[in-house]
Amino acid sequence: DQQVKQNSPSLSVQEGRISILNCDYTNSMFDYFLWYKKYPAEGPTFLISISSIKDKNEDGRFTVFLNKSAKHLSLHIVPSQPGDSAVYFCAASARDNYGQNFVFGPGTRLSVLP
Amino acid sequence: EAQVTQNPRYLITVTGKKLTVTCSQNMNHEYMSWYRQDPGLGLRQIYYSMNVEVTDKGDVPEGYKVSRKEKRNFPLILESPSPNQTSLYFCASSYRTGIYGYTFGSGTRLTVV
Repeated sequence: DQQVKQNSPSLSVQEGRISILNCDYTNSMFDYFLWYKKYPAEGPTFLISISSIKDKNEDGRFTVFLNKSAKHLSLHIVPSQPGDSAVYFCAASARDNYGQNFVFGPGTRLSVLP
Repeated sequence: EAQVTQNPRYLITVTGKKLTVTCSQNMNHEYMSWYRQDPGLGLRQIYYSMNVEVTDKGDVPEGYKVSRKEKRNFPLILESPSPNQTSLYFCASSYRTGIYGYTFGSGTRLTVV
């Protein structure tokens, strides 16, 4: 039973437009939510995070929104660039175990078309 | 350069032959972790470590061992590899918990035949 779900395996967006990647979770004990980006033949790279006490966190072109009641978070990329083409993973952990026991979603492959 | 280094990058082995994948970080991070990535399943945590000599199981620990004798090193040991352990493995480290995220290595692609 997947605790973190990313229901869109892939997404294509035109360059300059907004990319919205979605993530749903089932465990109400999750306190930390992170997004990672992964290029082929490389390890995942940490992108942005949010704790459960917030509903929005912004870093440049990247914004993460958290809706705790719906157990849903989303990553917005504005404007999208061809270099953003990668697989994006959503991850979550609870406060126990030092917040180290991360659960990852299956990933969404984003393609930004020039 | 701050990094997590895994070796080897690629490994093909036979069922039952013990192997070790090494992981080293040069950032003085306390927290380290091993993940495996399989198609459609994302990354699943195998083991993690909060400090030297302190380790705990993740979600898929069966068939794996780890040790943390020094802060910088966190090797993954497969005592008797089986074909279902064919996967892409990532080591990661972090200096703080929760929202600060991990720094990942480049991965080790293991094939067990």
